[in-house]
Amino acid sequence: DTEVTQTPKHLVMGMTNKKSLKCEQHMGHRAMYWYKQKAKKPPELMFVYSYEKLSINESVPSRFSPECPNSSLLNLHLHALQPEDSALYLCASSQGRGPYEQYFGPGTRLTVT
Amino acid sequence: AQSVTQLDSHVSVSEGTPVLLRCNYSSSYSPSLFWYVQHPNKGLQLLLKYTSAATLVKGINGFEAEFKKSETSFHLTKPSAHMSDAAEYFCVVSDGKELTGGGNKLTFGTGTQLKVEL
Repeated sequence: DTEVTQTPKHLVMGMTNKKSLKCEQHMGHRAMYWYKQKAKKPPELMFVYSYEKLSINESVPSRFSPECPNSSLLNLHLHALQPEDSALYLCASSQGRGPYEQYFGPGTRLTVT
Repeated sequence: AQSVTQLDSHVSVSEGTPVLLRCNYSSSYSPSLFWYVQHPNKGLQLLLKYTSAATLVKGINGFEAEFKKSETSFHLTKPSAHMSDAAEYFCVVSDGKELTGGGNKLTFGTGTQLKVEL
């Protein structure tokens, strides 16, 4: 099974709201990723977790706060977002070591009003 | 440093005709190369991967790609296009270096939009 699941599929939030995106995989992968994708553009890496520790933060604003409660789960907490943060947020996972391919979830379409 | 260039932002073919999506890469190390497909409002699906084994790589849905080191290319082909192939295609490179703490970083091309006409 090469499935990564993400919830919710769609999210509309105001600039003062707090919400969370959730990602789950059961492939035994030890690296998990958050990407942001704007329309007609490739995904941009935001965060990398490896063995449940934050490995990379690509200078993402603090209004995005990642969390990895265990090896199967990855959350992205959102607070005080701006309209320009509206995008498709993709989660991915890969085996922890080596140049392995990443498996992507279907994404959460976020709209900030 | 690594980079990927997808030579065509849009490709249009007729159903039943061959597909060619072009990709050139640059990498300081022996790269791993991937092609992903993204249908509208969907996530990315792995089509195929090259990781230093056979240079001709077969993927899902009849796609294949050939790794040519001398030309630094990894073009994606399919003998006969189907309407369901219409989507965005990304060529992706990983330099194989493990990130500090684990995981690996992918570099994406800008994408090629494939249109399939009747």
